[in-house]
Amino acid sequence: DSGVTQTPKHLITATGQRVTLRCSPRSGDLSVYWYQQSLDQGLQFLIQYYNGEERAKGNILERFSAQQFPDLHSELNLSSLELGDSALYFCASSANGQATNEKLFFGSGTQLSVL
Amino acid sequence: GQNIDQPTEMTATEGAIVQINCTYQTSGFNGLFWYQQHAGEAPTFLSYNVLDGLEEKGRFSSFLSRSKGYSYLLLKELQMKDSASYLCAQGSENTDKLIFGTGTRLQVFP
Repeated sequence: DSGVTQTPKHLITATGQRVTLRCSPRSGDLSVYWYQQSLDQGLQFLIQYYNGEERAKGNILERFSAQQFPDLHSELNLSSLELGDSALYFCASSANGQATNEKLFFGSGTQLSVL
Repeated sequence: GQNIDQPTEMTATEGAIVQINCTYQTSGFNGLFWYQQHAGEAPTFLSYNVLDGLEEKGRFSSFLSRSKGYSYLLLKELQMKDSASYLCAQGSENTDKLIFGTGTRLQVFP
């Protein structure tokens, strides 16, 4: 158990809909990262937050948004969903937000299926 | 952009040794990670190299050559439970991001 909690584990929805994925980081970790993993691609970095502020942005679509709240939990909002958004979405956390030189702890992921 | 190359799939026999290679772009390099990911599960940290050389940790070792932009993960005394994907990830000083390769799927056979 990494200590990172993600909900829900599975989400099935229709095209055009909007969903919210939730993540609670490990106790004491200030930074949260969101990754998308599709079958044909590796882990694609979406966005990172540190202590409530956006720190780094990756290949995140404009239809997607995220935020980190004062209690450090984070939410990833996906809107106008398309079939191609079906993927496993991981949240990870780290202590100091230095992804390039500290290890990440990953949650168990949310499997999103868009039908 | 950053290109991380690693083989897509490998197979090995229980009890054997396997080496999974990874090459990356040297520009702005700031650390090389290996993560293990069992199918449908979360990636878990295996190793981190920032200096040249071999880091040994039980049955797993990781090697780095910064000048060659090359790393490998060495798994000894393979067990069935080692069947998983192994993800190479590079930290970039330029972008301050951790970029993952597509992973190497290792299958261990009895």
